[in-house]
Amino acid sequence: DIQMTQSPSSLSASVGDRVTITCRASQSISRYLNWYQHKSGEAPKILIYAASSLHSGVPSRFSGSGSGTDFTLTISSLQPEDFATYYCQQTYSTPRTFGQGTKVEIK
Amino acid sequence: QVQLQQWGAGLRKPSATLSLTCAVYGGSFSEYYWTWIRQPPGKGLEWIGEINHSGFTNYNPSLESRVTMSVDMSKNQFSLKLRSVTAADTAVYYCARGVIPLHYYYMDVWGKGTTVTVSS
Repeated sequence: DIQMTQSPSSLSASVGDRVTITCRASQSISRYLNWYQHKSGEAPKILIYAASSLHSGVPSRFSGSGSGTDFTLTISSLQPEDFATYYCQQTYSTPRTFGQGTKVEIK
Repeated sequence: QVQLQQWGAGLRKPSATLSLTCAVYGGSFSEYYWTWIRQPPGKGLEWIGEINHSGFTNYNPSLESRVTMSVDMSKNQFSLKLRSVTAADTAVYYCARGVIPLHYYYMDVWGKGTTVTVSS
């Protein structure tokens, strides 16, 4: 299985801050990398697919980059509705493994 | 607007079989992969597996010996069975639709989740 490691596991930030979350794969996955946002009590939502493609309807303050083993999710200006847990997922091979998650909390 | 509606028993005794079903409303059934994901309490997301309209499956090797997924195209439904459950299978279970634009797979529509507790 391909292991996905996110950092940090949690972070505290203020509204308006620029936030960066990283995800590292245990082997090269090209650009087969997705980012999801998950709020407690709700279903996860897709934000980014193919490492950098913004899903329809997702605000442009979200962006993704990277290829191979190292990937980044950036929120350019954190909004109140962005406080959530973020997961990366590789889809290069099955099982389609997730990172352990990064919880973004209010400072 | 595609919607997924899921249901199943919320409480199972140890060694029983967990059964969940997800119905697809408002969209095609045959063009996608239909997926199950779970989240144990206080933990992250775990991919359980997927099935397409033809019944082709991919399962997580960690669960493969206990998992069966199936589809009912006449009802636009797909199902999950997990045998011999233990407390470690306690989780919120989600169904989701997998799309593959230009070979880049992601899950774009999700069910609301079903909480399953395994306890005697």
